[in-house]
Amino acid sequence: DAGITQSPRHKVTETGTPVTLRCHQTENHRYMYWYRQDPGHGLRLIHYSYGVKDTDKGEVSDGYSVSRSKTEDFLLTLESATSSQTSVYFCAISLQDTQYFGPGTRLTVL
Amino acid sequence: QKEVEQDPGPLSVPEGAIVSLNCTYSNSAFQYFMWYRQYSRKGPELLMYTYSSGNKEDGRFTAQVDKSSKYISLFIRDSQPSDSATYLCAITLIQGAQKLVFGQGTRLTINP
Repeated sequence: DAGITQSPRHKVTETGTPVTLRCHQTENHRYMYWYRQDPGHGLRLIHYSYGVKDTDKGEVSDGYSVSRSKTEDFLLTLESATSSQTSVYFCAISLQDTQYFGPGTRLTVL
Repeated sequence: QKEVEQDPGPLSVPEGAIVSLNCTYSNSAFQYFMWYRQYSRKGPELLMYTYSSGNKEDGRFTAQVDKSSKYISLFIRDSQPSDSATYLCAITLIQGAQKLVFGQGTRLTINP
């Protein structure tokens, strides 16, 4: 599993509240990614990081921000959650020219 | 038009059958091709990875890439009920900071 954990694994929140999801890795990987998975869309890239404090946007970054203050942690924040952000969120790391994924966080915004 | 197209299925076959899963892509600049398997309520796990046209085999799995047609396939031989999962193709341009583009995923069921 490439040493990736995600927390929380499940969360239910209300529209308008801030939410932060955490991705933690134990093997000092440089590149980290956040994806969301929705029916009919596969996985779509939200943001990625190529080092501490180095991040960039992906395909569906609107409404999300990220931070990476330590190599091992990559945080995804929904500043004001909306129902359209109900999804399963996956963190990934790059290893040997491909990516390995965490177990996912299931987020429901009511 | 989506950059990567994949038939979402569902696909249901009897145990022991040969399964063919396919994706097409639109950007000829894509260089790296992957197949992931995802069990229900789990994260995707890497099955196969290749960057050249032709076939790559790993046990019962064969990944095939045809860059001239912009078409990739995954074949599963002697399919087992444990192969029942969603299969996702993923494609990217570069190494390093890879921005993977995924197909929708094909839901596969192998019937005993």
